[in-house]
Amino acid sequence: EDQVTQSPEALRLQEGESSSLNCSYTVSGLRGLFWYRQDPGKGPEFLFTLYSAGEEKEKERLKATLTKKESFLHITAPKPEDSATYLCAVQAIPGNTPLVFGKGTRLSVIA
Amino acid sequence: ETGVTQTPRHLVMGMTNKKSLKCEQHLGHNAMYWYKQSAKKPLELMFVYSLEERVENNSVPSRFSPECPNSSHLFLHLHTLQPEDSALYLCASSQAWTADNEKLFFGSGTQLSVL
Repeated sequence: EDQVTQSPEALRLQEGESSSLNCSYTVSGLRGLFWYRQDPGKGPEFLFTLYSAGEEKEKERLKATLTKKESFLHITAPKPEDSATYLCAVQAIPGNTPLVFGKGTRLSVIA
Repeated sequence: ETGVTQTPRHLVMGMTNKKSLKCEQHLGHNAMYWYKQSAKKPLELMFVYSLEERVENNSVPSRFSPECPNSSHLFLHLHTLQPEDSALYLCASSQAWTADNEKLFFGSGTQLSVL
């Protein structure tokens, strides 16, 4: 059974304090790994897709990396507006299979 | 109006009521989804429609009944719900129900409380 585990469950950072969120996954064959951001009272918003080990993608203060067992979302010098829940999801091979989501990491950045 | 719009934003209903959730997407997408989001649980896929045909039904109780009259509209009809059905119900759309469905666009959800 495909599984996604995210850690920590919650993370509190001071503004400017860099850190990483972890997403460990178990899947028969990985089609893609996805990161979403969810603000309170809103639906998730797509951030990145990673397809193969060693791949990295960046967007502003966020960088996502992928290995064969896990993905990290690195947050460099975070700002209060980065506060949100970050969701990780995997899609297995073959295609046309639903995404399997983790429970998310709730990030709070304090000014 | 752009993106994915869900109504109502909040809904309180008794266990004997019948209500419907509505979703509309203005993105020209061909696939639409219903997800359930409960506290401390991962997003759970409920239903998928591709070109108005249901292609995924994730063992959802029959008290939830989806309807997709066209590629832009999706409904979730609710009847005789249980308190444990209280959750945030999210609608999403994507270009197509294919291997590259990572570009899910979500609505803001309907926060449902069943009393």
